[in-house]
Amino acid sequence: ILNVEQSPQSLHVQEGDSTNFTCSFPSSNFYALHWYRWETAKSPEALFVMTLNGDEKKKGRISATLNTKEGYSYLYIKGSQPEDSATYLCAPSGGSYIPTFGRGTSLIVHP
Amino acid sequence: DTAVSQTPKYLVTQMGNDKSIKCEQNLGHDTMYWYKQDSKKFLKIMFSYNNKELIINETVPNRFSPKSPDKAHLNLHINSLELGDSAVYFCASSSRGPTRGSVGQPQHFGDGTRLSIL
Repeated sequence: ILNVEQSPQSLHVQEGDSTNFTCSFPSSNFYALHWYRWETAKSPEALFVMTLNGDEKKKGRISATLNTKEGYSYLYIKGSQPEDSATYLCAPSGGSYIPTFGRGTSLIVHP
Repeated sequence: DTAVSQTPKYLVTQMGNDKSIKCEQNLGHDTMYWYKQDSKKFLKIMFSYNNKELIINETVPNRFSPKSPDKAHLNLHINSLELGDSAVYFCASSSRGPTRGSVGQPQHFGDGTRLSIL
């Protein structure tokens, strides 16, 4: 199991603000990283999978970047909306190929 | 059509009892997982099965026994339940894994089973 850290632990923003948060993981033996979105009372849903250093993925107002050499990924949300409120999990995979989930960043977007 | 379904959704039982949680996926996936979500919402992997074969067993007490009758099902049986077993348990599946070629495949999660031990 990898040592995965996500920061900040929680984040409150106003509707319309742009925001970003970080996932840090061991840079050695990296294979892939998944981002998941987890709404309260629901199950986690996959957002992105990233495998190559420098990868950048985008889905609507949400995008993510990956730096495998230094071991981090950023998730960006542009123009946050209340419906973006959720916990965002990252899950990198190392030598075992089993993803290890971080503790997540809890985002609350206030109208 | 529910892709990954877990039953029951809620389970309240007495300490010392034996209980099972069922998980079924209709996605045709080869790999299934069980996770335990702790009080701080951290998802910790318990087991991974690939095509009915146990791949991962992460420091889980042997009171927990997964059973996979076929690749569409991975049930979790828990003996002699303890207070510390109270948690939400999530089942998930992915199309391949765990191999290098599978790491790009996301996991699909069930809605969770909230287990409460009295």
